[in-house]
Amino acid sequence: SQQGEEDPQALSIQEGENATMNCSYKTSINNLQWYRQNSGRGLVHLILIRSNEREKHSGRLRVTLDTSKKSSSLLITASRAADTASYFCATDPGGYQKVTFGTGTKLQVIP
Amino acid sequence: EPEVTQTPSHQVTQMGQEVILRCVPISNHLYFYWYRQILGQKVEFLVSFYNNEISEKSEIFDDQFSVERPDGSNFTLKIRSTKLEDSAMYFCASSRKTSGSADTQYFGPGTRLTVL
Repeated sequence: SQQGEEDPQALSIQEGENATMNCSYKTSINNLQWYRQNSGRGLVHLILIRSNEREKHSGRLRVTLDTSKKSSSLLITASRAADTASYFCATDPGGYQKVTFGTGTKLQVIP
Repeated sequence: EPEVTQTPSHQVTQMGQEVILRCVPISNHLYFYWYRQILGQKVEFLVSFYNNEISEKSEIFDDQFSVERPDGSNFTLKIRSTKLEDSAMYFCASSRKTSGSADTQYFGPGTRLTVL
């Protein structure tokens, strides 16, 4: 698998349900970030979790990081139609090296 | 909270024309980056820049591309003779320099380049 692969590739849920997206990576990281992108638009930064952190919350978002498994998950609780977007994880190895983005999960929240 | 800004948000150009995409990194940051995302694909690294020099570049960053920090606040990406396949979202990012340790890259909102 490639550095920064998300699964599922696509997810369709009803409004009010929770959405969970996963990200796996291969090399060591300094931090991992999650971004949202509406179709054809720019990146919106959601949350950053550092390698020494295991869990972070921001509003309806919860991110976990398991460095032993080289994986992270993004949970969106009580989803809304406005959450419909693509979600990307991005791994930052530190040392001013390039950030690697995953392939993204396309989330559709049905009203 | 300080953020990276990019202008314009959308640029339309004719094939063969030169374009300059502009970025204002966060003010105390010293490392700068450009990334690109072709529609429907992953965000890809183009180039990193520090101390007025390119630190690293990808195979995408060929001779038609150049970067510059023309003054104390702007960081630019120039595409000399645009091709249809240069149509993409271009993202700028910046990070601080901290003594001996890495720091986070912060991304701008992107410039959509459309080459006709």
